[in-house]
Amino acid sequence: TQLLEQSPQFLSIQEGENLTVYCNSSSVFSSLQWYRQEPGEGPVLLVTVVTGGEVKKLKRLTFQFGDARKDSSLHITAAQPGDTGLYLCAGDKGGTALIFGKGTTLSVSS
Amino acid sequence: DVKVTQSSRYLVKRTGEKVFLECVQDMDHENMFWYRQDPGLGLRLIYFSYDVKMKEKGDIPEGYSVSREKKERFSLILESASTNQTSMYLCASSFPLAPRNNEQFFGPGTRLTVL
Repeated sequence: TQLLEQSPQFLSIQEGENLTVYCNSSSVFSSLQWYRQEPGEGPVLLVTVVTGGEVKKLKRLTFQFGDARKDSSLHITAAQPGDTGLYLCAGDKGGTALIFGKGTTLSVSS
Repeated sequence: DVKVTQSSRYLVKRTGEKVFLECVQDMDHENMFWYRQDPGLGLRLIYFSYDVKMKEKGDIPEGYSVSREKKERFSLILESASTNQTSMYLCASSFPLAPRNNEQFFGPGTRLTVL
């Protein structure tokens, strides 16, 4: 059972476009994290959202945690080729291990 | 900055060989994890450890074992490598308490090919 569903699975866009990636679950999480992974490297943490309804911004990236703490979204404004990579969401249910989504592969071409 | 290092970036082994993958973290994190990552299957947790000499099975422990003799080091062992264990292996560590609640820091990965 996949507890965290990410959509879309693949996204290919032109430089300057906006996009949104979704991370959905029927489970409640104490926090949710977003990671970005570049080819041949390990994932790198971008942000952690903790409070229901919380919005965090990281330059052109905006992260939102759903009010019920079951879902999250990542919005990128004016995408650039440097945003290319695999975006992973991960939910914390209070245990030691996180629950990872399968990821969204983003390709931004110039 | 947290640094997680893995012993090899690329490794080629033969079927039946015993394979050791080493991971070292330098931030005194309690928790350490081993994942494998395959196209279309995402990150799958093999084993994790929350303290020295303690280990817990993840989602896909079959064919693997682990060792954690020191806090900073977590080893993944493939007792008898098989071709279906060809994959990217990622190690991660985390600190369980606020403000870094379970945020994971990953190594660069080891791409293992079993022939």
